[in-house]
Amino acid sequence: EAGVTQFPSHSVIEKGQTVTLRCDPISGHDNLYWYRRVMGKEIKFLLHFVKESKQDESGMPNNRFLAERTGGTYSTLKVQPAELEDSGVYFCASSQDHRTGPQHFGDGTRLSIL
Amino acid sequence: DAKTTQPTSMDCAEGRAANLPCNHSTISGNEYVYWYRQIHSQGPQYIIHGLKNNETNEMASLIITEDRKSSTLILPHATLRDTAVYYCIALPYGNNRLAFGKGNQVVVIP
Repeated sequence: EAGVTQFPSHSVIEKGQTVTLRCDPISGHDNLYWYRRVMGKEIKFLLHFVKESKQDESGMPNNRFLAERTGGTYSTLKVQPAELEDSGVYFCASSQDHRTGPQHFGDGTRLSIL
Repeated sequence: DAKTTQPTSMDCAEGRAANLPCNHSTISGNEYVYWYRQIHSQGPQYIIHGLKNNETNEMASLIITEDRKSSTLILPHATLRDTAVYYCIALPYGNNRLAFGKGNQVVVIP
């Protein structure tokens, strides 16, 4: 069974540009989550999808971030325009059961804003 | 969500059991204890979780005290590949927002 895959593994862009991160969850997992770790800080929750619906987006930092999951399969996280403080590692996770089911993580996208 | 407290770091001997403590004295009745770890440059990896009974799987055992105020993750035979940051997280039933904290940097020594 393939795990959670994220693309790209690394991205380097300039301040003000746009970047789109992609996450492919484990097949059959309706729940998809985004987290991030910005430099020197702890890993923080961003949002949770159940199929194509946003269940909880309480962790989204501001309106420069847009997450989508059209069709309830893969998800994208767009940052537009990127700012220096957005640098960090963005993780995606998926789970079968949102109540107690464990979340399985991808290896993340390392985003560097210059 | 209940706050958890772990050592900042600890060393363990290769081949021996590694006992990783976690305090969660304010845990409420509907909060599960989850353990994850992050090996350098990888994403967090789920290890085990439990509510009040001890749990065991192919990776580890989880021992939760009867009053549920603390727990211990046991890696039965630590290997060098178990070197990682380990996170103990208390999470209410139905809550999906994992709060990782600073974790416990565990180094397995040959």
